[in-house]
Amino acid sequence: AQSVTQLDSHVSVSEGTPVLLRCNYSSSYSPSLFWYVQHPNKGLQLLLKYTSAATLVKGINGFEAEFKKSETSFHLTKPSAHMSDAAEYFCVVSDEWGFQKLVFGTGTRLLVSP
Amino acid sequence: DVKVTQSSRYLVKRTGEKVFLECVQDMDHENMFWYRQDPGLGLRLIYFSYDVKMKEKGDIPEGYSVSREKKERFSLILESASTNQTSMYLCASSITGTGSYNEQFFGPGTRLTVL
Repeated sequence: AQSVTQLDSHVSVSEGTPVLLRCNYSSSYSPSLFWYVQHPNKGLQLLLKYTSAATLVKGINGFEAEFKKSETSFHLTKPSAHMSDAAEYFCVVSDEWGFQKLVFGTGTRLLVSP
Repeated sequence: DVKVTQSSRYLVKRTGEKVFLECVQDMDHENMFWYRQDPGLGLRLIYFSYDVKMKEKGDIPEGYSVSREKKERFSLILESASTNQTSMYLCASSITGTGSYNEQFFGPGTRLTVL
């Protein structure tokens, strides 16, 4: 079965410094991978997705992620954190193709200090 | 703009009550999902539906049932609410594509407290 592991439950950065949120996946086939973001008291919003095209995926708000098959990783990065980036981030892998099921990681809370 | 709405943002119920959570999407999506979100556990799939009147169990269906009488509406039912069902409930929908791209669109969530 497909699964994802988010390696950090919390990440703290200062505004203007780089962001790295780590995610490893396990899949028996070529997966689709996603990062979703959830701001306080809001629903989840798609940040970016990988669907076997380019391995470096650019998303909204300056985020990007690189699919590395050899390392089974899909880490999320941003060159310079902004206060508005403080939120919870979920790494997600597609499960059974056809029924559109997704498998979520446990989440990483990003804290951004001034 | 795509939209998934949930009937309540906050709900307080008593143990043993029957609880209905409603979700409506306006995107003509085939697939709809109910998740619960708990701290440290991420989102866990309760039930999903890939067509009207069709339903499939997710990872944690115990204590829940669902109803999908119309394409745009998917209801989650707690037959007899218990305190361990206190959680945030999220509804989502997606289109059935021919590729591997499975983006789901989420509602704002319903925070349910069972006393």
